[in-house]
Amino acid sequence: EVQLVQSGAEVKKPGESLKISCKGSGYNFRSYWIAWVRQMPGEGLEWMGFIYPDDSDTKYSPSFQGQVTISADKSISTAYLQWSNLKASDTAIYYCARLLTTSGVFDYWGQGSLVSVSS
Amino acid sequence: QSALTQPRSVSGSPGQSVTISCTGTSSDVGGYYYVSWYQQHPGKAPKLMIYDVTERPSGVPDRFSGSKSGNTASLTISGLQAEDEADYHCCSYAGTYSYVFGTGTKVTVL
Repeated sequence: EVQLVQSGAEVKKPGESLKISCKGSGYNFRSYWIAWVRQMPGEGLEWMGFIYPDDSDTKYSPSFQGQVTISADKSISTAYLQWSNLKASDTAIYYCARLLTTSGVFDYWGQGSLVSVSS
Repeated sequence: QSALTQPRSVSGSPGQSVTISCTGTSSDVGGYYYVSWYQQHPGKAPKLMIYDVTERPSGVPDRFSGSKSGNTASLTISGLQAEDEADYHCCSYAGTYSYVFGTGTKVTVL
């Protein structure tokens, strides 16, 4: 069974750094792109970027380029989303999702990681 | 890239049909046959319901169907059931390694 299990909720202050994780199992983690998707409170979904774990090739949405860093460690089947300088506007639920095809089919999703940023 | 436009909400009685629209441009919805739809219950992760405009993944009931005309894609739920009450999000391929989601639609079963 394909599963993506994300790290738990985080409460941080503005200016702090954070790295959340997404561990895949039940399939060949190295061979599928992993995407990160943001959902701000009461809003829709926004594609942030994705990574191919086998060679760490990474693509970013222009809206998130330079704002976050996506990485992966194929040896432990885990992808990461990282911030170096959190803002209150980063408060959201962040989902990882397996990208079945590069035409945009997100077939399996993690349970979501809530990130709250407040002074 | 602007989000695809979806109605804020649609509603229907059990057994009825509802259709959700998803309007983009010739650079996304109108330019490719790569539109997908996701169902999201409150507090849960999205679930893939339709991909490549009309295809249903294994396990998705056949009362869910997709279509596209020009720059607008649609998701139709036939024979509406109580468990279909959820938010629905469309997504379109928008060119090389680029995707855009819709604004989301809340489906209410009356």
